[in-house]
Amino acid sequence: DQQVKQNSPSLSVQEGRISILNCDYTNSMFDYFLWYKKYPAEGPTFLISISSIKDKNEDGRFTVFLNKSAKHLSLHIVPSQPGDSAVYFCAAPSYNQGGKLIFGQGTELSVKP
Amino acid sequence: DVKVTQSSRYLVKRTGEKVFLECVQDMDHENMFWYRQDPGLGLRLIYFSYDVKMKEKGDIPEGYSVSREKKERFSLILESASTNQTSMYLCASGAGGGSSYEQYFGPGTRLTVT
Repeated sequence: DQQVKQNSPSLSVQEGRISILNCDYTNSMFDYFLWYKKYPAEGPTFLISISSIKDKNEDGRFTVFLNKSAKHLSLHIVPSQPGDSAVYFCAAPSYNQGGKLIFGQGTELSVKP
Repeated sequence: DVKVTQSSRYLVKRTGEKVFLECVQDMDHENMFWYRQDPGLGLRLIYFSYDVKMKEKGDIPEGYSVSREKKERFSLILESASTNQTSMYLCASGAGGGSSYEQYFGPGTRLTVT
């Protein structure tokens, strides 16, 4: 039962263009979402989050959009840079187990110079 | 600066060996977690702990056990390592609940079981 899904295992984008990473969820009780970024041989690092009371949160080049009716969120990176090449995970806190995060499968982003 | 450290970055063990992976956090977090990361499967939760001497099974606990004797330390134990436990193991800690859902990860241990 995959409650958080990232259906695109990989994405390739040209430097300077927009990267859009997508995430879908099935549990309508989820009210907070996080994005993590992971480089090879390193642990994931927190990138940006969004609460369900908002539909957009922006931090520099990174913006997360939330569409609650569609149970869909997306991470936009503009402009994309080669250093953004990494695996990106979306996650949601488990509704009945405070502190536990449910992660998607991840999307590997490659930004070509 | 928050810090989660793991005892080894790379580890090679033989089938049947007992393996200990140690994790230490310096943020006084209540919650600690062990994940494994495999290509195409994302991060899967093995075990977690909300308090000292307390543990909860995650999604894939079979073949693993954990120990939390002190608040800052959470150990993952492979009682008898098998080749299907070859993976990247990631430890995380977090304050948990409320507005503090963020987890902080260690650098990971790449374990190879031959």
